[in-house]
Amino acid sequence: QQQVKQSPQSLIVQKGGIPIINCAYENTAFDYFPWYQQFPGKGPALLIAIRPDVSEKKEGRFTISFNKSAKQFSLHIMDSQPGDSATYFCAASTRGSARQLTFGSGTQLTVLP
Amino acid sequence: NAGVTQTPKFRVLKTGQSMTLLCAQDMNHEYMYWYRQDPGMGLRLIHYSVGEGTTAKGEVPDGYNVSRLKKQNFLLGLESAAPSQTSVYFCASSSGQGAIQPQHFGDGTRLSIL
Repeated sequence: QQQVKQSPQSLIVQKGGIPIINCAYENTAFDYFPWYQQFPGKGPALLIAIRPDVSEKKEGRFTISFNKSAKQFSLHIMDSQPGDSATYFCAASTRGSARQLTFGSGTQLTVLP
Repeated sequence: NAGVTQTPKFRVLKTGQSMTLLCAQDMNHEYMYWYRQDPGMGLRLIHYSVGEGTTAKGEVPDGYNVSRLKKQNFLLGLESAAPSQTSVYFCASSSGQGAIQPQHFGDGTRLSIL
């Protein structure tokens, strides 16, 4: 069963656009929600993360919006650049069990020049 | 600073063969993880370890075994490879201390089972 559902599967935007990737979860015990960025041939790398006690977190051009009541969170990329073209994964974890991550299925983002 | 190193990077096996994937980290991290990545399914946890000499099952452990004899190394074994185990395997580590620490990933091992 997929505990973290991610959409869309793929996304194409023009340079300067604002791609938005959405994730939804069921397990209310999740208390940490990171986003990972993965380039072809490389491993995922942490991009930004949020705890459920805040509704928004911004780091540079990347923003996470979090809606605890709806059990949804999303990633926004402001002023997107061709270098942002990558696969993005949302994830969630609970306290204990070594903070093992449950990943979404991924979104392949293409930013056209 | 190498971070997390996985060997080999690529491997082709025949059904029924065995092999071991090696993960090494130089960050003195307590926690280590093995994931597999398949198209459209994200990353799924196979096994993990919270310290030297300990291992635990993740979401998809069947067909795999692991060992953590040294803190810096985490080995993933396939005793009798099956085509369903064709995947990209990622190792990750985290410090596991204090506040939530991110997982650092290696660049993966691409494994094909014929």
